[in-house]
Amino acid sequence: AQTVTQSQPEMSVQEAETVTLSCTYDTSESDYYLFWYKQPPSRQMILVIRQEAYKQQNATENRFSVNFQKAAKSFSLKISDSQLGDAAMYFCAYRIADRDDKIIFGKGTRLHILP
Amino acid sequence: NAGVTQTPKFQVLKTGQSMTLQCAQDMNHEYMSWYRQDPGMGLRLIHYSVGAGITDQGEVPNGYNVSRSTTEDFPLRLLSAAPSQTSVYFCASSGLPRGKSYEQYFGPGTRLTVT
Repeated sequence: AQTVTQSQPEMSVQEAETVTLSCTYDTSESDYYLFWYKQPPSRQMILVIRQEAYKQQNATENRFSVNFQKAAKSFSLKISDSQLGDAAMYFCAYRIADRDDKIIFGKGTRLHILP
Repeated sequence: NAGVTQTPKFQVLKTGQSMTLQCAQDMNHEYMSWYRQDPGMGLRLIHYSVGAGITDQGEVPNGYNVSRSTTEDFPLRLLSAAPSQTSVYFCASSGLPRGKSYEQYFGPGTRLTVT
């Protein structure tokens, strides 16, 4: 069965610094999607970034980028120039690409931004 | 587009009462799902559906029923509420993996308290 593990329940970073959130997953599939979602105090879930497993190039969205290591089954999120508005819970998620199946989430990492 | 809508936003139930949490989406998404979120537990999948007339169990299905009679709606029924079902409930939808819109869109959540 597929699993998603976020090993850091909480992290803190100084404003304007860079932080990396870890995510590992376990799957025997070769084609899948990976996601990072942000949940601010408003509770709304927001898609931050997504990665297709067949693409070797790491996805980037402004200050957010991923380090996708397919062989190691690792999908970390890097936030550059951290801002106070980045404080949130961050969830990593996995989805099989070639059949209709459930989407699996990690337990989340709470990120604190220190002014 | 309204996206994913959930009603109600807040609900208080007494133990043993039943109720239905409503979820609707207007994006013609085939995949819909229900999660509950508890502190330290991340998002746990209750039930999901890959199309009208098709539902399947997630990680924590006991005490909950779903049906999917239309593409747009995916109600979650609590049969006999228990204090352990106190949680925040999220509904989400997405296209199927082979489509272009395969990331999930989330509703705003329902905070349910069972006394």
